[in-house]
Amino acid sequence: AQSVTQLGSHVSVSEGALVLLRCNYSSSVPPYLFWYVQYPNQGLQLLLKYTTGATLVKGINGFEAEFKKSETSFHLTKPSAHMSDAAEYFCAVSDFSRGNNRLAFGKGNQVVVIP
Amino acid sequence: NAGVTQTPKFRVLKTGQSMTLLCAQDMNHEYMYWYRQDPGMGLRLIHYSVGEGTTAKGEVPDGYNVSRLKKQNFLLGLESAAPSQTSVYFCASCGVFYTEAFFGQGTRLTVV
Repeated sequence: AQSVTQLGSHVSVSEGALVLLRCNYSSSVPPYLFWYVQYPNQGLQLLLKYTTGATLVKGINGFEAEFKKSETSFHLTKPSAHMSDAAEYFCAVSDFSRGNNRLAFGKGNQVVVIP
Repeated sequence: NAGVTQTPKFRVLKTGQSMTLLCAQDMNHEYMYWYRQDPGMGLRLIHYSVGEGTTAKGEVPDGYNVSRLKKQNFLLGLESAAPSQTSVYFCASCGVFYTEAFFGQGTRLTVV
């Protein structure tokens, strides 16, 4: 079964600094990978996704992530943090194994942006 | 488009009471999911459905039941609520090729 590891439940970043959130996955088949963002008291919104093709994926709000098969990673980055980036971020993985049509989430990173 | 709609948005139950959470999607998606979100635990899958009339257990199914009698609706039932079921519940739906899962706004349930 697929699984996701996100380290560091809380991440503090200064406004204007690099945002880096790490995600490592395990999957028995080539995965589809996702990053979701959750703002307070809201549902989850897709930031970006990797399915096939180009391994560097660009998403909304200036975020991007790179799929590295050799490292089983899909780290999320943004060059310059903005106050509006304060939210919780979830990495997720799915695979298409027969009878395993499920999306597995990491435990999330709560991002705090310091002025 | 409404997308994924969950009702109710908030509910307080007494221990032992029962209730049903409704999830409705208008995107003709085959797959639907119920997750619970607890602090520091991320989202954990309760039950899911890959099509009308089919359901399957996720990683934390105990104490919950589900039904999917119509393709657009996925119901989550609590037969006898327990304080451990205090959580935020999210429904999601997804098309066949997993291009994106769409989430509802959540139901905040408190069991006292």
